[in-house]
Amino acid sequence: NAGVTQTPKFRILKIGQSMTLQCAQDMNHNYMYWYRQDPGMGLKLIYYSVGAGITDKGEVPNGYNVSRSTTEDFPLRLELAAPSQTSVYFCASSYGGAHYGYTFGSGTRLTVV
Amino acid sequence: TQLLEQSPQFLSIQEGENLTVYCNSSSVFSSLQWYRQEPGEGPVLLVTVVTGGEVKKLKRLTFQFGDARKDSSLHITAAQPGDTGLYLCAGVINDMRFGAGTRLTVKP
Repeated sequence: NAGVTQTPKFRILKIGQSMTLQCAQDMNHNYMYWYRQDPGMGLKLIYYSVGAGITDKGEVPNGYNVSRSTTEDFPLRLELAAPSQTSVYFCASSYGGAHYGYTFGSGTRLTVV
Repeated sequence: TQLLEQSPQFLSIQEGENLTVYCNSSSVFSSLQWYRQEPGEGPVLLVTVVTGGEVKKLKRLTFQFGDARKDSSLHITAAQPGDTGLYLCAGVINDMRFGAGTRLTVKP
């Protein structure tokens, strides 16, 4: 089983550029999440989705957008990249939400210069 | 301010030693989870505790949920180099909130 697959693994962006971080899961999970992880700060929730066609903001959504057209895919869009968006981004999925625990991808390390 | 405070932030020990790391909050959680994260990888779920006072064992790892469901601890017996990693606790109220983690290094 592939689990949760994130691409790319690494990316360097210039200020003002845009990009899409890809996330796909093959476990038929309805719940999917995007987190960012900064040193000493823990994981912060950016956006989440409880099913295809449904998305909602998390704790730190500014500067990001998401879509959920299928159960499998949950891409994260960065518009007008800023240095503050330099971080490691993790996608996760869950069978039934937070109480069931999450399966995480291996992350995308993004640097904005 | 973090909803969940983990301590210590860093811990470096020799192989064979025992250790305990802590996860504390002023909030009451409906459940609490522990994850381990290795460099370059995402967190991996170790355990979920639900009931106040609950103790769960996973080989050499013992997890305890506080009676008031506000705190938790992770005890590792006879640590091995393979235990090296970032240990994250995550508490569930309406959603899941993560602590900043304890970075454990076990030296051979």
